[in-house]
Amino acid sequence: AQKVTQAQTEISVVEKEDVTLDCVYETRDTTYYLFWYKQPPSGELVFLIRRNSFDEQNEISGRYSWNFQKSTSSFNFTITASQVVDSAVYFCALSEPIQGGSEKLVFGKGMKLTVNP
Amino acid sequence: GAVVSQHPSRVICKSGTSVKIECRSLDFQATTMFWYRQFPKQSLMLMATSNEGSKATYEQGVEKDKFLINHASLTLSTLTVTSAHPEDSSFYICSARVSGSRVEQFFGPGTRLTVL
Repeated sequence: AQKVTQAQTEISVVEKEDVTLDCVYETRDTTYYLFWYKQPPSGELVFLIRRNSFDEQNEISGRYSWNFQKSTSSFNFTITASQVVDSAVYFCALSEPIQGGSEKLVFGKGMKLTVNP
Repeated sequence: GAVVSQHPSRVICKSGTSVKIECRSLDFQATTMFWYRQFPKQSLMLMATSNEGSKATYEQGVEKDKFLINHASLTLSTLTVTSAHPEDSSFYICSARVSGSRVEQFFGPGTRLTVL
């Protein structure tokens, strides 16, 4: 079965610091998808990125960047020049095929990021 | 992007009553919807997969008679927590998979259930 490990449970940084959130996954599938979601205190999940297993290119979106390395089964997320608004819980997730041809998501335990002014 | 709504956003009920939570895909059809439960400071745990027009598939350990799921149309799935107890208090989140897509899904804003 799929497994997602987010070893860090909580990180606290000061504004403008860079922070990297680790995600390690386990799967036997050759085709799979990885995700990152942000969950602010309001509770609503905010989609950040989806990456399929065949696309190992790193991605940058503004202050966010992702490093996908199949060799180490990792999909790490870096926030550059963090801001107070980045404070949230961040979840890494992995797709798992289910009957009917779709995929369900297996979530890591989440990492709470606190950015202090 | 596509929008998924949940209603109600918050509900408080007495122990022993039943509560229905609706999940709607507003601008797309969703053959499959997923129901998750999230306890405070914990991760999202999948409860069940709901397929339009057929019975839901429940994850191990989730009581199907307690958590009734109905997916009567391509835009609506409902979760009914029957005979709710305080331990059922949680944050319930649904997601809807875009019909025709294997993996693209959108999450609702969640429903916070408090059972007194």
